[in-house]
Amino acid sequence: GPKVLQIPSHQIIDMGQMVTLNCDPVSNHLYFYWYKQILGQQMEFLVNFYNGKVMEKSKLFKDQFSVERPDGSYFTLKIQPTALEDSAVYFCASSLARDYEQYFGPGTRLTVL
Amino acid sequence: QQNVQQSPESLIVPEGARTSLNCTFSDSASQYFWWYRQHSGKAPKALMSIFSNGEKEEGRFTIHLNKASLHFSLHIRDSQPSDSALYLCAVSRDYAQGLTFGLGTRVSVFP
Repeated sequence: GPKVLQIPSHQIIDMGQMVTLNCDPVSNHLYFYWYKQILGQQMEFLVNFYNGKVMEKSKLFKDQFSVERPDGSYFTLKIQPTALEDSAVYFCASSLARDYEQYFGPGTRLTVL
Repeated sequence: QQNVQQSPESLIVPEGARTSLNCTFSDSASQYFWWYRQHSGKAPKALMSIFSNGEKEEGRFTIHLNKASLHFSLHIRDSQPSDSALYLCAVSRDYAQGLTFGLGTRVSVFP
């Protein structure tokens, strides 16, 4: 079936640095999402994105976070600067339309030292 | 704020048995209810969804939804070892909205 890819699978960086997480969504999908999962906790919604704009964001989506999908390529989550509490697994998802399921990637494990 | 709880935390069942998983939610305005399955190290994948009160069956899987009780469930008939995975329930108010997930129920089916 359709697959969402995430690059890299693991990323280790020092606190205060910038990091960009990349998501390759299903090719014809139009809605894009990021979720965050801290170890031992449930997956939590961060943001969704449609037609070049953020549609909805949660309180977890701090000012240091940004998302974009330039020229229909990767859907990216950028964190600048990173903090220790940003350590988590970040899942990307995409969906074809408002009435279709969200397809998830396998996640990127981010460790901030 | 939506609160989604799953029970039990884990389940061990013999092959061929029926498996039942529960999910409760707190927001009565919720409209869309999903079950996702995640094998170890893999992406969560949607199993089934339901949007109105009642029951929906697809193969060995059945969802029940009772909005008044703020509860929905997943039942697996004739459980197979390949059903061993983490099962996540998820709820949203709108299709394109972010999903609110539970912590999951880990199911192990032994031959």
